[in-house]
Amino acid sequence: GAVVSQHPSRVICKSGTSVKIECRSLDFQATTMFWYRQFPKQSLMLMATSNEGSKATYEQGVEKDKFLINHASLTLSTLTVTSAHPEDSSFYICSARAPGNIQYFGAGTRLSVL
Amino acid sequence: QQQVKQSPQSLIVQKGGISIINCAYENTAFDYFPWYQQFPGKGPALLIAIRPDVSEKKEGRFTISFNKSAKQFSLHIMDSQPGDSATYFCAASGSGNTGKLIFGQGTTLQVKP
Repeated sequence: GAVVSQHPSRVICKSGTSVKIECRSLDFQATTMFWYRQFPKQSLMLMATSNEGSKATYEQGVEKDKFLINHASLTLSTLTVTSAHPEDSSFYICSARAPGNIQYFGAGTRLSVL
Repeated sequence: QQQVKQSPQSLIVQKGGISIINCAYENTAFDYFPWYQQFPGKGPALLIAIRPDVSEKKEGRFTISFNKSAKQFSLHIMDSQPGDSATYFCAASGSGNTGKLIFGQGTTLQVKP
């Protein structure tokens, strides 16, 4: 299957700092990427839809000023968790939409905010 | 109408047995039904997917059965192996909703040796 690279795989930061997570589609162009959050033993919760060259579409209840999304190219989307707090600690996963409406996922980023 | 209901929540199967996970949806506009496999600490990996123009799709030991009239689809894992122990998610999407996937709640499968 297609490859989606997500970096970093794990990050530990102090409360109040900002963290950037990168998501790259390595072998196809993705006009649409998605960002998810997953709590332990739960399903994936869609946070936002990232569209290349335009503003992201956020799901209800997700703070767009807290979770900044940039999709500046057809192969890269970034999620920045601004002024992170311990309650933002979670597993964040991106996906990229390939032709045929197929989504391929990154390996995820474990964020721990101290 | 956007929900996808998945069952069972957890499943224990003996090695060599058949694992069956079921999903039901309500939105008839859905036209793509993938299954993902997720190991702890990893992102979901696409396992197999089906579109509503066929009733069954098989890839190796994995089979999707699709019942359009009942709005249900299921994953069958034949000859289940301990390496299949993971969490499985069904999902659905439609071409009209920007390709957003609606996920089921997940099934944790344990295959005992």
